Amino acid sequence: GAVVSQHPSRVICKSGTSVKIECRSLDFQATTMFWYRQFPKQSLMLMATSNEGSKATYEQGVEKDKFLINHASLTLSTLTVTSAHPEDSSFYICSARTQGKGSGANVLTFGAGSRLTVL
Amino acid sequence: AQSVAQPEDQVNVAEGNPLTVKCTYSVSGNPYLFWYVQYPNRGLQFLLKYITGDNLVKGSYGFEAEFNKSQTSFHLKKPSALVSDSALYFCAVRDIVGSSNTGKLIFGQGTTLQVKP
Repeated sequence: GAVVSQHPSRVICKSGTSVKIECRSLDFQATTMFWYRQFPKQSLMLMATSNEGSKATYEQGVEKDKFLINHASLTLSTLTVTSAHPEDSSFYICSARTQGKGSGANVLTFGAGSRLTVL
Repeated sequence: AQSVAQPEDQVNVAEGNPLTVKCTYSVSGNPYLFWYVQYPNRGLQFLLKYITGDNLVKGSYGFEAEFNKSQTSFHLKKPSALVSDSALYFCAVRDIVGSSNTGKLIFGQGTTLQVKP
C-alpha cells in the first residue's frame, strides 16, 4: 500500500536553531501534502497545505515565516521550524493523499510523525 | 463549516466484548467520513471511509462503521475487542468549502480505547 516516510522521527535542538523535517511519498506522487501538529493527548491541528511547485497555504494563526514549507517535487515536502523555541515542541505529522481506485484510494496516508523537543 | 465530535475521551471494554467508539458529524452537503487509529508516538493509520453507498462500511482489522444520516453519526464498531486494539481513535470529515473539496481532513478530539484482558 501507499507509504509516507517522515524523517527524523525524533529531534532535540537548542532554542534558536532551525530544524527541518522531511516528508516523502515512497510509491506514489503527491501534488498536495498536509502538515499537522499534535499536542499531547490532543487532536491533530492542520498547519498548512503544501502544494508542489507553488507556495503553501497556511491555516489561520500559523506563522508562515516560522514554519517554512517547501514542496520541491512530487514526492517530497519539507517543514522547517525556524528559530525554534520550547513552545514549538510538539509532534508534527505529514500526510499525502493516495490516488487510484479501491477502498484505500483517495485517502490521506500519514507519516509516522516527528517529535520535536526544543530545549 | 464541517466538524466532527467524539463525545467520549475514553472507552473501556473487556477483551472479547463488542466495542463502539462514537462520532457525530455536522456538514453541509454529503459527508465524506473517515476513521483513523493512532498508536503511541506514531502517525495515523487509515481504518475505513464512507463516501457513498452502503451505510455499513467494513475496514481494516475487523473494524466497521455505520453511517446514520438521521442521527448524523458514524460510530466505529468491532464485534470482539482485542487488547491490541488499545489505541487512540480519530473520526474525521473531509473539508468542503462551497462546492470545492479542499482535500483537508478535519479531525475529532480523539477517543482513547482501552481493552483490558
